[in-house]
Amino acid sequence: EAGVAQSPRYKIIEKRQSVAFWCNPISGHATLYWYQQILGQGPKLLIQFQNNGVVDDSQLPKDRFSAERLKGVDSTLKIQPAKLEDSAVYLCASSRDNSYEQYFGPGTRLTVT
Amino acid sequence: QKEVEQDPGPLSVPEGAIVSLNCTYSNSAFQYFMWYRQYSRKGPELLMYTYSSGNKEDGRFTAQVDKSSKYISLFIRDSQPSDSATYLCAMSRSSNTGKLIFGQGTTLQVKP
Repeated sequence: EAGVAQSPRYKIIEKRQSVAFWCNPISGHATLYWYQQILGQGPKLLIQFQNNGVVDDSQLPKDRFSAERLKGVDSTLKIQPAKLEDSAVYLCASSRDNSYEQYFGPGTRLTVT
Repeated sequence: QKEVEQDPGPLSVPEGAIVSLNCTYSNSAFQYFMWYRQYSRKGPELLMYTYSSGNKEDGRFTAQVDKSSKYISLFIRDSQPSDSATYLCAMSRSSNTGKLIFGQGTTLQVKP
């Protein structure tokens, strides 16, 4: 079974630029999550999708972050404009349903200069 | 105050030692308790989960939950260099919400 795929693995941008991350979950997993993990901290949930509907986006900074999951499979997370404090690893995870058993991708390491 | 507190370490032990990793939490609504392991430059992977209070054992790993003290532990017996990683505790109010609250992680190094 293929794992959660993410791209790119690394991204360096200047503040005020925009960036997008892509995630392909495990086949058949209905729920997809985006987490932000700042260095030295645990992952923080940004947004949770069930199929292509949003279940929870309470911690997503909606003035600059957006996410979509078209057709209930792949997902894209966008930041526009980026700030220095957005430097972090962005993790995508998926699960069969809304479950604690989540499978994580390798993450995208974003550096904002 | 953070909902979940975890000592970041680092914790360094010799091979074969018993390791104890701990988290405390403030929200009594948490019912499900997980331990995820994260190797460097990788995503977290689920190691163990426990529902409510009690113990759960899986090979060299034992998870304990004490809801009265709002305290959870992960014990690793006969630790191996391959156990060197960051261990994240995570908690959830229910089994079908998917929303996990993570601790900041404890970095463990097991020296040969």
